[in-house]
Formats: sequence, structure tokens, C-alpha cells
Amino acid sequence: SQTIHQWPATLVQPVGSPLSLECTVEGTSNPNLYWYRQAAGRGLQLLFYSVGIGQISSEVPQNLSASRPQDRQFILSSKKLLLSDSGFYLCAWSEGQHGYTFGSGTRLTVV
Amino acid sequence: RKEVEQDPGPFNVPEGATVAFNCTYSNSASQSFFWYRQDCRKEPKLLMSVYSSGNEDGRFTAQLNRASQYISLLIRDSKLSDSATYLCVVKRGNFNKFYFGSGTKLNVKP
Repeated sequence: SQTIHQWPATLVQPVGSPLSLECTVEGTSNPNLYWYRQAAGRGLQLLFYSVGIGQISSEVPQNLSASRPQDRQFILSSKKLLLSDSGFYLCAWSEGQHGYTFGSGTRLTVV
Repeated sequence: RKEVEQDPGPFNVPEGATVAFNCTYSNSASQSFFWYRQDCRKEPKLLMSVYSSGNEDGRFTAQLNRASQYISLLIRDSKLSDSATYLCVVKRGNFNKFYFGSGTKLNVKP
């Protein structure tokens, strides 16, 4: 069966520090992968999606970047965090016409 | 205009009540439709897909009206465990991009 792993679960980082969040999936090949952010009390915003290794599309301009170095690995990064980067970050994968499966998320607080 | 709009609630209902959530979407090219459930501080989980013919899963019934660009979710005989935020989701375009509403919060009270 397919599983998706995301870590860390919680992160507190100072403003200006770098960020790296990792997501890996198991049990599937060539999945579409996605990074979403959910700000406190808000809906999910699509940040990046990837349809294959090295293929990244950005939905909104921001202080973040994404990379897909391996088929089942998706990384979200920042060189210098801003206070506004705080939120709940969710990795997801999809297959065909079915809905998404989300990772358990990373709750990031920038202080 | 938001891609997907929902009443944020909260809906406060007693156990056993029937509750209905509504959602509208702005892009007529939207292709697939879903309801997700999100518990506090957890990831969203797929509740059910929504089809034009309407579909039912136990106490949950979903309806889609493509002409009105309107999606609904009906929960019958509410349980305490139904308390959560319900997210309306549409898929549009290539690459399975999903667009989420901001969610409707449901509180089921004893």
C-alpha cells in the first residue's frame, strides 16, 4: 500500500534561518507530488507541484522553493525564513482521478 | 474571487441532527469534486468523492450541481465524532491540481 512520510512534525525557527522539509512516498512510482500551506484559520494554499524528477511548478511567488531529487522525494526549502512563513505545511500525492493523500504535516512557527 | 467558497461556520448542532454544508466553485472547467474532513491540527483526509448523480456513504450524502457550480454535503444522525472541519475541494486542469475551500467547522454537542 502507498504511504507518505513527512518530517519533522513540529519546527520552531528564528527569522532569517534556513528551512528544509522533506516528504517521501512509498508504494508508488512517478507520483504527482504537492506542497500545500495552511495558515492559522485559513484554507490550504497550493505552493508547488511536481510531475517528475527535477520538474517543479510554483503556484504563487514567495520566499520558498521546492526540489524533487528522486522520484519519491519532495523537498521544501527556504534560504531565509520570514514571520509570514509560519503555518502548517502539508505534502500530498495523487494518482489518477482519486483525491489526494496527505502526509501528517509540519507545523512551522517562525519567531 | 476565490476558487472555492464555503460558509466558515461554525455549525453547532445536537447529536442526532441533520446538517447540510454548501460550497460553490468559480471555474466551470472544474473536473472532479471531493469533500475532505480535517480534525484539529491534523492533515485533511478524503471523506468522499462527489458525482453529478449524487452519492451516499452511510450517513453522508454528497450532491453536485454543475449548472449552478454548487456542491453539498448532508450528514444525517450526527455523532460527536463528526465534529471536524469539512473542506470542499475541486480539481481543475492538468496535473491533478486541487483547490480547497477554507472549510466549514462542525461542532456536534451531546
